[in-house]
Amino acid sequence: SQKIEQNSEALNIQEGKTATLTCNYTNYSPAYLQWYRQDPGRGPVFLLLIRENEKEKRKERLKVTFDTTLKQSLFHITASQPADSATYLCALPRGSGQAGTALIFGKGTTLSVSS
Amino acid sequence: ETGVTQTPRHLVMGMTNKKSLKCEQHLGHNAMYWYKQSAKKPLELMFVYSLEERVENNSVPSRFSPECPNSSHLFLHLHTLQPEDSALYLCASSQVFRGSQPQHFGDGTRLSIL
Repeated sequence: SQKIEQNSEALNIQEGKTATLTCNYTNYSPAYLQWYRQDPGRGPVFLLLIRENEKEKRKERLKVTFDTTLKQSLFHITASQPADSATYLCALPRGSGQAGTALIFGKGTTLSVSS
Repeated sequence: ETGVTQTPRHLVMGMTNKKSLKCEQHLGHNAMYWYKQSAKKPLELMFVYSLEERVENNSVPSRFSPECPNSSHLFLHLHTLQPEDSALYLCASSQVFRGSQPQHFGDGTRLSIL
């Protein structure tokens, strides 16, 4: 069955450093992968989507890579700030087309950025 | 403001009670979802509605009953729940177009079963 693993449950870094989060998947060849941010007591918020034919995607201080050979995505936050502290979720599609695309989520990595 | 509103935000109920969770989206989307989020576990998909038709029921016990009266509203009717059903219930919506659209989540209903 499809499986997603976000290797680190928690990651602690100092302000200004680059945070790198990992998402691995097995038994699957997804057409795309999404990253979400979730703050305590709130629902997840969409950050970035990367397709299988894209190696890298950037948005401001965020960068996502997608290696379909390794079956891995890396999520980078450069020049991290305490406000970046949150749980980051990796998600892959379960379906496709018009029938509603449900997502499979990883457990998430909780990032803490200290000043 | 995410465009997806869930009520109530918190709910405490006994195992014999009947209650309903409500979700409303103001984004013009045509697909809606219910997820369950328990501590230390990934989000679990419960139900998917696309164009107001239920297209997926992810082996959810019958004590959970979804209803989608129109593309903007989604309900989750609860009855005779168990303590293990205590969790954060999240509603999401998306625009179905070749399946790659992001999902927009509400802030959830925190459910506690006594």
